Amino acid sequence: DAGITQSPRHKVTETGTPVTLRCHQTENHRYMYWYRQDPGHGLRLIHYSYGVKDTDKGEVSDGYSVSRSKTEDFLLTLESATSSQTSVYFCAIRQGSGANVLTFGAGSRLTVL
Amino acid sequence: GDSVVQTEGQVLPSEGDSLIVNCSYETTQYPSLFWYVQYPGEGPQLHLKAMKANDKGRNKGFEAMYRKETTSFHLEKDSVQESDSAVYFCALSDHGRGSTLGRLYFGRGTQLTVWP
Repeated sequence: DAGITQSPRHKVTETGTPVTLRCHQTENHRYMYWYRQDPGHGLRLIHYSYGVKDTDKGEVSDGYSVSRSKTEDFLLTLESATSSQTSVYFCAIRQGSGANVLTFGAGSRLTVL
Repeated sequence: GDSVVQTEGQVLPSEGDSLIVNCSYETTQYPSLFWYVQYPGEGPQLHLKAMKANDKGRNKGFEAMYRKETTSFHLEKDSVQESDSAVYFCALSDHGRGSTLGRLYFGRGTQLTVWP
């Protein structure tokens, strides 16, 4: 168990409201990632972090921001949620050195009405 | 840019059938290649990997050969079981530049449903 906890696991919200998803890890890993999963699109990278306060954009970053003020927490924020952001969001960490192998959390299902 | 294309949609073999799920990739670099598996209600997890050309990844009777000449990493199994039913993702990782670690690019996923 890589010690990844995502919260909340399920959330229903309305268009235009802000939403923050939290990813917490207990093993002091440097690299953390946020992906979204949608039918027909697979897994797409939103943002990632390579250290405290060091983040970068992925391929679908529009409408999302992230913050990493502590090693163990990586927050994903939707400033003003839209229906197109209804998705399952996965946090991942990279364990160890060498191969770029990711370990994923259990996911957060977000529905924007 | 880097990309992965894999067999899309559903694959519906019967138990005991052989299986091939195609995966082709595009990159200007020398990537590492992966297959991830996802069971219902869970996040994806590493299934097997190959780090360089001509490496073969193996796990639970599945194999995939890293073929640079055909830019492919097809997932194969001689005899599938009902417990193999899951979604399978092919992925590649470039090696990044400077201090930034390479990123992982996923295919769209293949739903494997094995009939008993």
